[in-house]
Amino acid sequence: RKEVEQDPGPFNVPEGATVAFNCTYSNSASQSFFWYRQDCRKEPKLLMSVYSSGNEDGRFTAQLNRASQYISLLIRDSKLSDSATYLCVPRPGNNRKLIWGLGTSLAVNP
Amino acid sequence: NAGVTQTPKFRVLKTGQSMTLLCAQDMNHEYMYWYRQDPGMGLRLIHYSVGEGTTAKGEVPDGYNVSRLKKQNFLLGLESAAPSQTSVYFCASKEKDFGELFFGEGSRLTVL
Repeated sequence: RKEVEQDPGPFNVPEGATVAFNCTYSNSASQSFFWYRQDCRKEPKLLMSVYSSGNEDGRFTAQLNRASQYISLLIRDSKLSDSATYLCVPRPGNNRKLIWGLGTSLAVNP
Repeated sequence: NAGVTQTPKFRVLKTGQSMTLLCAQDMNHEYMYWYRQDPGMGLRLIHYSVGEGTTAKGEVPDGYNVSRLKKQNFLLGLESAAPSQTSVYFCASKEKDFGELFFGEGSRLTVL
C-alpha cells in the first residue's frame, strides 16, 4: 500500500458546485495533516492544516477519520480560481519528513 | 516580501557538468529543504537542514550535495549532472518543526 493515495482525477466541476476529495494514508502514527494546493507549473502553497478531527476555513472543510485512515477536503461554491492540484500531506509522528501524495487535479469550469 | 527565492529558475546542462542551485529565505527560518518533483511522483526530499551548519539526507540524496553556511541560504549542488536529474527543484523553509512550509517558485533543470 502506498504511503499516501489520492484519486488523481481530473475532477471537472461547474462553478458553484461542491466537490470532495479523499486521501488515504498508511502510517497510523500520522499526527498532523496538511492540504496544499499547487497551480500548474507553480510551487505548492499551504491551504489548510489539520491537527484534530477537522478544520474549516471559509469554503474549505477538511475532515480526518483516524480509524479508517483517511482525510477529506470539501470545497463548497467552487470558483474558477480553485482550479489546481490538491496535495494531501500526512506527517508521521515527530518525523520531520512530510509524505507527499501525487495530488488530485480539479478543474472548475464556467 | 521576497520569502523564498531560488536561482536560477531555468538551466540546461550537458551530462557531466556541475552546477549549484541557490535558495535564499528572508524569514529567519531554521529549517530548509530541497525537493524534486517529477511527473507521476510526489515531491521527494533530497536533503534538508535544521539549522545553520547542519545538513541531512532525505530520501533521494544520491548525486547531490548541500551546504548551509549561512542561515538564510541553502545550496544544492550537482557534481556531475545526469539526465535522470532532469526535474523541477523546489526549495522550502519553515520557522519551526510544525510550522507552515514556504516554497520557492522552483528551478527547472534539464540535463541533456
